[in-house]
Amino acid sequence: DIQMTQSPSTLSASVGDRVIITCRASQSISRWLAWYQQKPGKAPKLLIYKASSLESGVPSRFSGSGSGTEFTLTISSLQPDDFATYYCQQYHSYSTFGQGTKVEIK
Amino acid sequence: QVQLVQSGAEVKKPGASVKVSCKASGYTFTSYGISWVRQAPGQGLEWMGWISVYTGVTNYAQNLQARVAMTTDTSTSTAYMELRSLRSDDTAVYFCARRGVGASPFDPWGQGTLVTVSS
Repeated sequence: DIQMTQSPSTLSASVGDRVIITCRASQSISRWLAWYQQKPGKAPKLLIYKASSLESGVPSRFSGSGSGTEFTLTISSLQPDDFATYYCQQYHSYSTFGQGTKVEIK
Repeated sequence: QVQLVQSGAEVKKPGASVKVSCKASGYTFTSYGISWVRQAPGQGLEWMGWISVYTGVTNYAQNLQARVAMTTDTSTSTAYMELRSLRSDDTAVYFCARRGVGASPFDPWGQGTLVTVSS
């Protein structure tokens, strides 16, 4: 099974900050990686797919990069609506999620 | 718009079974697959498996393979996930999500169904 490791687990940041979340796969997944945002009591929402493709309707302050085993999600200027938990997901071989990164208010 | 609407919350005793439904609308049901993901209280997301609606082929997570079954009813555009021999650690919110053909992310997701396993 492919394991996905996210870091950090928790991130404290202020509005306007640049935020970077990292996801590492235990083996190469090419670019078959997605990023989701989840708010309490809600279903996850797709932000990025195929490592760097922005889902329709998602603000351009979100961007993704990487290939192989190392990936990043960047929020260029954190907005109040962005405080949430973020998950990476590989869909190269079946599917696995990272353990999540909670972005909280500093 | 594309929408997945799940059945309501369930309370079950250990050893029982639960069947959660996921009704799709706004797209051609047979052109996509359905994935199931669960989330224990305060925990992360766990992929359970998926089903190709067109072929009926399923792939299950290894740790659930013996207890889970995913099916679809194309006449009502509804997917089902049944989990048997429930244990307390099966208490979770269960989500369905649409999955495209081949390597695809999950989008959109249903609203989630809370399954509580308690004696």
